[in-house]
Parts: sequence; structure tokens; C-alpha cells
Amino acid sequence: SAVISQKPSRDICQRGTSLTIQCQVDSQVTMMFWYRQQPGQSLTLIATANQGSEATYESGFVIDKFPISRPNLTFSTLTVSNMSPEDSSIYLCSVVPVQRENTHEQYFGPGTRLTVT
Amino acid sequence: LAKTTQPISMDSYEGQEVNITCSHNNIATNDYITWYQQFPSQGPRFIIQGYKTKVTNEVASLFIPADRKSSTLSLPRVSLSDTAVYYCLVGDPLSGTYKYIFGTGTRLKVLA
Repeated sequence: SAVISQKPSRDICQRGTSLTIQCQVDSQVTMMFWYRQQPGQSLTLIATANQGSEATYESGFVIDKFPISRPNLTFSTLTVSNMSPEDSSIYLCSVVPVQRENTHEQYFGPGTRLTVT
Repeated sequence: LAKTTQPISMDSYEGQEVNITCSHNNIATNDYITWYQQFPSQGPRFIIQGYKTKVTNEVASLFIPADRKSSTLSLPRVSLSDTAVYYCLVGDPLSGTYKYIFGTGTRLKVLA
């Protein structure tokens, strides 16, 4: 298994500002992902955080709005830029441990609850 | 990517067996079926994964018919703590392009 922590756990931000969310894993992992979950809704994949290269974004998500860093195999950050109230959501980091790559079993962090006013 | 369809919500009582069915009519040959559970204010948690027939672990059973166009997650003797949202996902875990597409999920409420 993998233990994942996220910082901050929650934040209230003003529109137009940016917030950087950190994801830390207790072991080295190849696969790391960022999701968004709006209140009462399902999860939506934002991007795959690639170590040593640019993140791979899903349709509807762009690097200028959600820049991602992945400096090593245990850490990643997601920045929500120029925030608006529509960005209010829970942001989740997930990983696939090396020993789970054959099943692609994902382990999720506790999430960061963002409210934009 | 195979799309999944699940009931939006279900109610059950403690001690009952709960069966949640997922439809995935256009499942591909190499696709596996995976179920996740999400409690309020937590990230999803892997429950079970299968390819065909029946898979059982300490938490649940997964039944997959021969045509694989649907699957049923079975939770034996549920308790209040099983109240959660359950997601069915379909994809090829060995594919380099495997994408997690979470559907609407089924909101299970267990009543006393």
C-alpha cells in the first residue's frame, strides 16, 4: 500500500489568486494523478503527473490553469491559478504503487477542500 | 473507453446483502472491472477487481457473467459503516493509456 498526504487539507481563497496543493507519498511511485471532485459529484481526472516531463492533461484542463510539478517519485504539486468560484472543489492526489501496477489499483490522498470566494 | 451505468442510489438495512449492478455494454476484450468505495470526506478506496466469473475477497464479491456486459458487486451483511458511494470502472490496467473514468457511482445508504 501507499500512504499519501496532502497539504493544505482545506483553504478559503479569494478569486483571482492561486493556490498550490502538495501531495507527498511515503514510497516511490511511477504513476501519480490529480483529480477534482465537485460537491456531490463524481471524480474527474485532471492530469497525470509525469516525473521528469510535462504533465498529461485531460480534455478540458490546461497547463496555464492547472500547472503541475513532479520533481521526484514521491512528490507532486498542483496549482489552481487565477481562481474563480467555479474552482471550488475537492482536489485529490492518487498513486499506483509499483506492486499494484498490474492491477492499476489506485491509492488516494485525503483531498484538499478548496473554497473560492 | 467503455462507459458504465449504475443506479444512482440504493437503500438497505443492516444485516442484508446488497447487490449493486453496473452495465458496461461496450467492454473491450482486455478490460477489467474495478470497484471503488468512497466515504464522505475521503478519497476512494479500491474494493475489488475482476475479469470474468466470480472474484471474492474479505470485503466483497464480484460477479461477472459470461458476456461481461455487466457486473454485480455484492456486499454481504452490510452495516451502517458501509454507507458510501460505490463506483464501477472499466479499463485495461496493463494498457499504457489506461484512464480512470469515474461514472456517477451508486450512493448506498444503510439504515438501522
